[in-house]
Amino acid sequence: DADVTQTPRNRITKTGKRIMLECSQTKGHDRMYWYRQDPGLGLRLIYYSFDVKDINKGEISDGYSVSRQAQAKFSLSLESAIPNQTALYFCATSDSRQGHNEQFFGPGTRLTVL
Amino acid sequence: SQQGEEDPQALSIQEGENATMNCSYKTSINNLQWYRQNSGRGLVHLILIRSNEREKHSGRLRVTLDTSKKSSSLLITASRAADTASYFCATDGGSRSRLTFGEGTQLTVNP
Repeated sequence: DADVTQTPRNRITKTGKRIMLECSQTKGHDRMYWYRQDPGLGLRLIYYSFDVKDINKGEISDGYSVSRQAQAKFSLSLESAIPNQTALYFCATSDSRQGHNEQFFGPGTRLTVL
Repeated sequence: SQQGEEDPQALSIQEGENATMNCSYKTSINNLQWYRQNSGRGLVHLILIRSNEREKHSGRLRVTLDTSKKSSSLLITASRAADTASYFCATDGGSRSRLTFGEGTQLTVNP
């Protein structure tokens, strides 16, 4: 969905490096999410934000941190990357006013940690 | 553990056939959603069914929900090669809850 953009789209980095993945949206949604997807698996929630000042851990937050700089921007950081963080990362948004949590996904960032 | 579990993990059919995918979940839900993912791309929302609904249609898609059995099925009729993708169910517990995704069914439609 072009309304949700992620940068970079691909990144190769080395163990121990700090990495930031960025997500921007033009949908005007208040809620934003970060997921990771590993081969053959579904999505696992890393962090989510219901508003700029409302940030929550998901099921696999260890090793990650986030920042909600504005309603439209939600970034994910890996403070010290490790190889098992190699995965496909997705940002998503939803509008709490809709009442049903339909989510809109970005195109993903493929991260490889060597 | 995953709220939604899908069955089968992989399904291969011929163009024109129907494809049925099933999803089971464990706790009460506000709604259940189905998403599609083309290889390596972001998920796209297909259809949503609320907990008080039993069946819903959208084009060639038919979704059923049985809350007594905590299960849902997605039927794609008259499949096309372009339907080849992974399909995920996701459950929403409502209010401040988050979506919980199943592990997906990989559908291959052979021309």
